[in-house]
Amino acid sequence: SQQGEEDPQALSIQEGENATMNCSYKTSINNLQWYRQNSGRGLVHLILIRSNEREKHSGRLRVTLDTSKKSSSLLITASRAADTASYFCATDEGSGGSNYKLTFGKGTLLTVNP
Amino acid sequence: GAGVSQSPSNKVTEKGKDVELRCDPISGHTALYWYRQSLGQGLEFLIYFQGNSAPDKSGLPSDRFSAERTGGSVSTLTIQRTQQEDSAVYLCASTLVGWGTDTQYFGPGTRLTVL
Repeated sequence: SQQGEEDPQALSIQEGENATMNCSYKTSINNLQWYRQNSGRGLVHLILIRSNEREKHSGRLRVTLDTSKKSSSLLITASRAADTASYFCATDEGSGGSNYKLTFGKGTLLTVNP
Repeated sequence: GAGVSQSPSNKVTEKGKDVELRCDPISGHTALYWYRQSLGQGLEFLIYFQGNSAPDKSGLPSDRFSAERTGGSVSTLTIQRTQQEDSAVYLCASTLVGWGTDTQYFGPGTRLTVL
């Protein structure tokens, strides 16, 4: 089944460093989204990248998508302690599946140390 | 409302009891999703409502789980005869239209603990 898998499962860095998280998925997609979750509660949408896009920026976030490798990366530059959270990628089911269902990976737990 | 709200925020129940979890989506959003998140895991899709269409119940893990959405707004997820493996955070999300390109707006979740 379609599923995003994040890598690494956990990442610990110092404030000011960059954080890179990766997501791999199995079948074709129309778009991929990244979400952030604080303290096991509600998720907050960060950014969406479409299958015909290769890179997208939003503030300190940079997302890349390689559809040939079925992978995406999320880069957070100049990290802050407040960036500490779990980060999830979510993929749709592509042209062969539903046009509404998203599948979330298990997430990367990012810890930014002051 | 300003965002998606869920109640209660925490629920502790005894095995075998029934529980009801409530979700108030953002006003005007036609689509509503329920997810379950076990400790340290990703989100597991449970059910999807879109307008007056028949819901997609394909993610409900057993017939003990049911959900309804009244008047196209508030939704209730009911778990009958709760089991310890039902312990998880139950998250609700709403979207404007319900497409895979939509941003999903999540509520804070209900943490369910079954003793």
